[in-house]
Amino acid sequence: QVVLQESGPGLVIPSGILSLTCTISGGSINRYHWSWLRQPPGKGLEWIGNISYTGTTNYNPSLKSRVTMSVDTSRNQFSVKLTSVTAADTAVYYCARGGDGSKGPTVHWGQGTLVTVSS
Amino acid sequence: DIQMTQSPSSLSASVGDRVTISCQASQDISKYLSWYQQKPGKAPKLLIYDASNVETGVPSRFSGSGSGTDFTFTISSLQPEDIATYYCQQYDDLPLTFGGGSKVEI
Repeated sequence: QVVLQESGPGLVIPSGILSLTCTISGGSINRYHWSWLRQPPGKGLEWIGNISYTGTTNYNPSLKSRVTMSVDTSRNQFSVKLTSVTAADTAVYYCARGGDGSKGPTVHWGQGTLVTVSS
Repeated sequence: DIQMTQSPSSLSASVGDRVTISCQASQDISKYLSWYQQKPGKAPKLLIYDASNVETGVPSRFSGSGSGTDFTFTISSLQPEDIATYYCQQYDDLPLTFGGGSKVEI
């Protein structure tokens, strides 16, 4: 059973860079599309984007100017960076596994990590 | 972006009740809809994909139906462990988008 684990700072200063890594265990990154999603406290879910194991990315247009995703197949990890953060970026961030294509259900989710943007 | 509208946003039901949640897409998404269950403090869990296919290991009391723009999620007999917020998601087009959620309480 694949397990996804997010890691990274829980506190980021305004205008700074939010950086998270997802480590995959119990499965290989060398297939499927891998997503980042977020959920502000008490609110709904937002898809940030996804990346294939070959490095092909798809971003939500609402965040595209600030988001970069990358994949490290040697470490079975993928990552997200979000620049110029504000309080509106405070959320629980989830990494997840999708399907073979860039569009598909979100099959497996990490437990999530809360990132707070505050000085 | 495809907008997903869920209703109701919250509901209260009794153990054993049949619970139905609706999800409407702003355009035709064929069968490309999934349903998730999220319990407080936990990550969402995939229950239904392709509108009506039940994910492996999910109890048979959960079901989904619909196609095009109108979809329905049903719990045939509500159990105490089903207390959660349920979300629909379309994956017909990028960006992937979610409904606003339906909170089920007893």
